[in-house]
Amino acid sequence: QQQVKQSPQSLIVQKGGISIINCAYENTAFDYFPWYQQFPGKGPALLIAIRPDVSEKKEGRFTISFNKSAKQFSLHIMDSQPGDSATYFCAASSGSNYKLTFGKGTLLTVNP
Amino acid sequence: GAVVSQHPSRVICKSGTSVKIECRSLDFQATTMFWYRQFPKQSLMLMATSNEGSKATYEQGVEKDKFLINHASLTLSTLTVTSAHPEDSSFYICSRRAGVSYNEQFFGPGTRLTVL
Repeated sequence: QQQVKQSPQSLIVQKGGISIINCAYENTAFDYFPWYQQFPGKGPALLIAIRPDVSEKKEGRFTISFNKSAKQFSLHIMDSQPGDSATYFCAASSGSNYKLTFGKGTLLTVNP
Repeated sequence: GAVVSQHPSRVICKSGTSVKIECRSLDFQATTMFWYRQFPKQSLMLMATSNEGSKATYEQGVEKDKFLINHASLTLSTLTVTSAHPEDSSFYICSRRAGVSYNEQFFGPGTRLTVL
């Protein structure tokens, strides 16, 4: 049972455009939702995270939108740049054990 | 700067040998660390939770006798892949939490294991 479903699998965006990646979860015990960025051959790096008590969080060009009733959350990358080309993973965890469950990832390509 | 380091970054070994991977928390005494495995173009799968001073907790389907985890100090956890086989070739990544009561996890740079 896949607990965090991520889409799309891959995404191509022009420089300056908006990249949108969506995730849906099933476990209502999840209370922490991070997004990670991973470059080839590197470990994931935490981009931004949100908790269910807020519907949106913005940090620079990155915004998380959260819909608790729909059990969905998404990452928006504004003014996408070629340097943003990477694989993005959504994840979720609960405070009971802090284990992260990852989505399958989205390969983002930003064309110059 | 990096808060979690791993060594080695790459290792190539022959089938049947054992390989040890070190994961260090550089700025924080971590009682709990996590080990993940990532196959090419796939997601991260949690293998086990490493607990300082006690036995690791393994996820379902992970062979604890094959993937030995030792967390002997608050800054070092090791993963030993015993009797490695080509199907064990993967990217192994460790992480630690930001703090005792924090969900945030910081990941190491990963170790690429290739078993010939």
